[in-house]
Amino acid sequence: GAVVSQHPSWVICKSGTSVKIECRSLDFQATTMFWYRQFPKQSLMLMATSNEGSKATYEQGVEKDKFLINHASLTLSTLTVTSAHPEDSSFYICSAGWTEYEQYFGPGTRLTVT
Amino acid sequence: EDQVTQSPEALRLQEGESSSLNCSYTVSGLRGLFWYRQDPGKGPEFLFTLYSAGEEKEKERLKATLTKKESFLHITAPKPEDSATYLCAVQSNSGGSNYKLTFGKGTLLTVNP
Repeated sequence: GAVVSQHPSWVICKSGTSVKIECRSLDFQATTMFWYRQFPKQSLMLMATSNEGSKATYEQGVEKDKFLINHASLTLSTLTVTSAHPEDSSFYICSAGWTEYEQYFGPGTRLTVT
Repeated sequence: EDQVTQSPEALRLQEGESSSLNCSYTVSGLRGLFWYRQDPGKGPEFLFTLYSAGEEKEKERLKATLTKKESFLHITAPKPEDSATYLCAVQSNSGGSNYKLTFGKGTLLTVNP
């Protein structure tokens, strides 16, 4: 149980285009989903917290107009990187939980912006 | 602000050589301390959650312990397949989302056969 999937697993896009990443909880309903970014040899940095049916809460320094998060249902959250630039290239990971004490992570999405 | 410091940054062991990883933390009020394992290019895999000082949890060759200031992940007789980055994270009672995790930078463990 507690499986979280992400799609796509990797994506290459051109500078200026937008990319959407999906995060799904496959066998449970997630009241809260989280989006993290991880640079090489660095730890996970929380970008935003999303609750189903409400606006996402962004961490300080994260541009909400650039990283659009939609949590449309209890099993799906999406992250859209708008007008992507090479500095947005990173490993994006989502997590989901149904209680405050358990968080399960997806396999991650490698984004490369050329 | 919650802070998590993991040491060492990297650790090389021979197969069967037991050791411990350290996670020191500073939080206003600890709700839970989490240990995850992360393989290259993959998302973190949940290992343990510890809630209060004195608590211990075990899973196969891994044992996690917690004090008021730090947590240890003990690895007994490790095997090459235990090679990974081990991440520690805390969840605090401070303002904002009660679910938020603050991560350390991790310890890269390499177990040689």
